[in-house]
Amino acid sequence: DTEVTQTPKHLVMGMTNKKSLKCEQHMGHRAMYWYKQKAKKPPELMFVYSYEKLSINESVPSRFSPECPNSSLLNLHLHALQPEDSALYLCASSLRLAISNEQFFGPGTRLTVL
Amino acid sequence: SQQGEEDPQALSIQEGENATMNCSYKTSINNLQWYRQNSGRGLVHLILIRSNEREKHSGRLRVTLDTSKKSSSLLITASRAADTASYFCATETGTASKLTFGTGTRLQVTL
Repeated sequence: DTEVTQTPKHLVMGMTNKKSLKCEQHMGHRAMYWYKQKAKKPPELMFVYSYEKLSINESVPSRFSPECPNSSLLNLHLHALQPEDSALYLCASSLRLAISNEQFFGPGTRLTVL
Repeated sequence: SQQGEEDPQALSIQEGENATMNCSYKTSINNLQWYRQNSGRGLVHLILIRSNEREKHSGRLRVTLDTSKKSSSLLITASRAADTASYFCATETGTASKLTFGTGTRLQVTL
């Protein structure tokens, strides 16, 4: 299995809702990432997990809360989002947090905040 | 913060022609990677070139890296309609596999 899966594919939520994005990989990768991508812009790194521990937080607002319950799963919990948070959220994984590892991306979750 | 600038922003060519995209970056890097993204989908890794390498080939792809000019180019030879996508360079800096993506080039290959 050489793919990263993400659910749901699309999500529409109100500003008072609580929702979660899910990412899963079974490649034995021990580094996992969340990116945010606005339309016609490059992906921007949000969080990095290494061996299930948060390694990098790129000063992301607390309304985004990541969680890595085990080596295969990565969640992004969403609460009290703003319309400007509407974007494509991409999950990625790599063998480990080290130099010169390619990252494998999931198809993304298209999030719309009303 | 944005590390890489790519040009052109958009490129339209006919099938069979070659496509060249350029990437410039600002700081020292460990390596530079190129990714492809089809219309709002996930990214696919194409090729990685280390900072001590100058050229690398993979199938129809040729990547060059000039660290003195802080620039890289991606050449796709004999393009196909299926190559239509956005192409991003990404620089890896520091010790933590942190990628910073360039602005991207949208490639359209017509029949």
